[in-house]
Amino acid sequence: NAGVTQTPKFQVLKTGQSMTLQCAQDMNHEYMSWYRQDPGMGLRLIHYSVGAGITDQGEVPNGYNVSRSTTEDFPLRLLSAAPSQTSVYFCASSGQGASYEQYFGPGTRLTVT
Amino acid sequence: QKEVEQDPGPLSVPEGAIVSLNCTYSNSAFQYFMWYRQYSRKGPELLMYTYSSGNKEDGRFTAQVDKSSKYISLFIRDSQPSDSATYLCAIYTGGFKTIFGAGTRLFVKA
Repeated sequence: NAGVTQTPKFQVLKTGQSMTLQCAQDMNHEYMSWYRQDPGMGLRLIHYSVGAGITDQGEVPNGYNVSRSTTEDFPLRLLSAAPSQTSVYFCASSGQGASYEQYFGPGTRLTVT
Repeated sequence: QKEVEQDPGPLSVPEGAIVSLNCTYSNSAFQYFMWYRQYSRKGPELLMYTYSSGNKEDGRFTAQVDKSSKYISLFIRDSQPSDSATYLCAIYTGGFKTIFGAGTRLFVKA
């Protein structure tokens, strides 16, 4: 099993550009989520999904969109990138029986200039 | 007040030392407590979880929860250079939400 995969690993955007961060998992997990990690701030939840077709906002959702059309994939879209969105983004998944036990991807390092 | 507070360190210890990592939290209703380990430029990985109060041991690692003082700890015995990483405490609050501490950077010197 590959677990949770994320692409790209690194990305540089100009202010105002849009892009999609990809996330996929092969563990048949129901729950998936997106976090951003900033120095001194810990991991903050952006959006999450409890199943295909069901998404909800987390702590810091502004400027981001998500959708979940399949169990495996959970892309994160930046609509109009801003320097404040410079961060490391992690996707995570967990199963229904142990939703507290999250498996994280390797992360995407995003810089917005 | 943040829901979870964690000293960011860094904490530097010699190989073989006992390491104590700690977090405090604000809501006495929390029940699931986790520790994640994150190596540099990698994603976090779940190290241990504890339900409610008490201790849980796994090899050189012991997780401890004191609900009366809202304090969670991770102890590492016989620390190794390979233990050098950032350790994040986390609390599952239900409704598929987990709150994370800021992480403590640990360096174990050979």
